[in-house]
Amino acid sequence: GNSVTQMEGPVTLSEEAFLTINCTYTATGYPSLFWYVQYPGEGLQLLLKATKADDKGSNKGFEATYRKETTSFHLEKGSVQVSDSAVYFCALSEGGGYQKVTFGTGTKLQVIP
Amino acid sequence: NAGVMQNPRHLVRRRGQEARLRCSPMKGHSHVYWYRQLPEEGLKFMVYLQKENIIDESGMPKERFSAEFPKEGPSILRIQQVVRGDSAAYFCASSPTENQPQHFGDGTRLSIL
Repeated sequence: GNSVTQMEGPVTLSEEAFLTINCTYTATGYPSLFWYVQYPGEGLQLLLKATKADDKGSNKGFEATYRKETTSFHLEKGSVQVSDSAVYFCALSEGGGYQKVTFGTGTKLQVIP
Repeated sequence: NAGVMQNPRHLVRRRGQEARLRCSPMKGHSHVYWYRQLPEEGLKFMVYLQKENIIDESGMPKERFSAEFPKEGPSILRIQQVVRGDSAAYFCASSPTENQPQHFGDGTRLSIL
């Protein structure tokens, strides 16, 4: 079956530091890949997505590249802000039908001033 | 344009009672998905519904849990005879078509005493 593995948190960074959150996946086909962000007490918001190999998703300074050869979709940001503190979920869905999304366990990011 | 609305935000039940969770999808969205998030875990797919139809309930426990999405009104996730292990955050998502990204509500946090 499908699965998503992401690095455990919490990740604590100082403001303006570089962020990497690792994510690898296992899928039987050619999935679409997503990063969702969850702020405290809220639901998940789609942060970015990539639908095929070598695609780069980007939004709000975050980016991630779909690497089929390493089955990875690592999230990066060059300079984090305190407002980026949240839980980040890597996820995938199989193509060709409805999006039954498989989520990773989430990585909590804490950015300190 | 209102997002996905879930209510209540918090629900407390005693063991053996029934819990009803409601989800109103975004306007124009006819596809609804329910997920469960246990503490410190990622979201797990439970059920996918279109108007009046259950399309995939492979993630939902066979007993005590049921879901519906009537022609009029919100989608309902119903848990009968709740047990402590049902304590979790339950998220609803909706999409306009089956192949478009899901938009999430803020969740219902269910606590069983």
